[in-house]
Amino acid sequence: KAGVTQTPRYLIKTRGQQVTLSCSPISGHRSVSWYQQTPGQGLQFLFEYFSETQRNKGNFPGRFSGRQFSNSRSEMNVSTLELGDSALYLCASSLYTGPYEQYFGPGTRLTVT
Amino acid sequence: QQQVKQSPQSLIVQKGGISIINCAYENTAFDYFPWYQQFPGKGPALLIAIRPDVSEKKEGRFTISFNKSAKQFSLHIMDSQPGDSATYFCAASMEYGNKLVFGAGTILRVKS
Repeated sequence: KAGVTQTPRYLIKTRGQQVTLSCSPISGHRSVSWYQQTPGQGLQFLFEYFSETQRNKGNFPGRFSGRQFSNSRSEMNVSTLELGDSALYLCASSLYTGPYEQYFGPGTRLTVT
Repeated sequence: QQQVKQSPQSLIVQKGGISIINCAYENTAFDYFPWYQQFPGKGPALLIAIRPDVSEKKEGRFTISFNKSAKQFSLHIMDSQPGDSATYFCAASMEYGNKLVFGAGTILRVKS
């Protein structure tokens, strides 16, 4: 089975712009969660989607949003980028909303200049 | 209450030795405790996970020990190998949903 795929892998944006990241879960998985990883704050939960509904949300500002499509693919959007948004954004997929085993993709490295 | 505290921050072990990483939590609503391994430039990979109804779980060279009353759990890596050199994260999740709360991570180096 193919693993979790994330596109793009690397992205450079300018402060004030917006960005959309994409995640394709493992085939058959219906839950997708997003995490932000930075050296200072570590791994932090952004949100979880299951059956196209947001199930849980972390402590991030409203500039961070996401959605899930009927094929379980998910996108996250960050508007009005700030320098502090530079991070590795990880997507994790799970069979169901859980807690269930979550499998991470390779991440999208976002750099905001 | 949402935190998971992980120690040590870094660890150096000789090849063939036992690596031990500890985590502690406060929130008794946590119901699922996985460990992840992350290599540079990669996403975290699920190693092993445990639920509070068991005190120990072993998979190959990896063992989780769980102490519910102390609200602590630990990862033991037996016969540590240089290929085990990576960052290890403990995490915890509540009964409903897939929100993982992660520890700060432990950088493990196994010397050959």
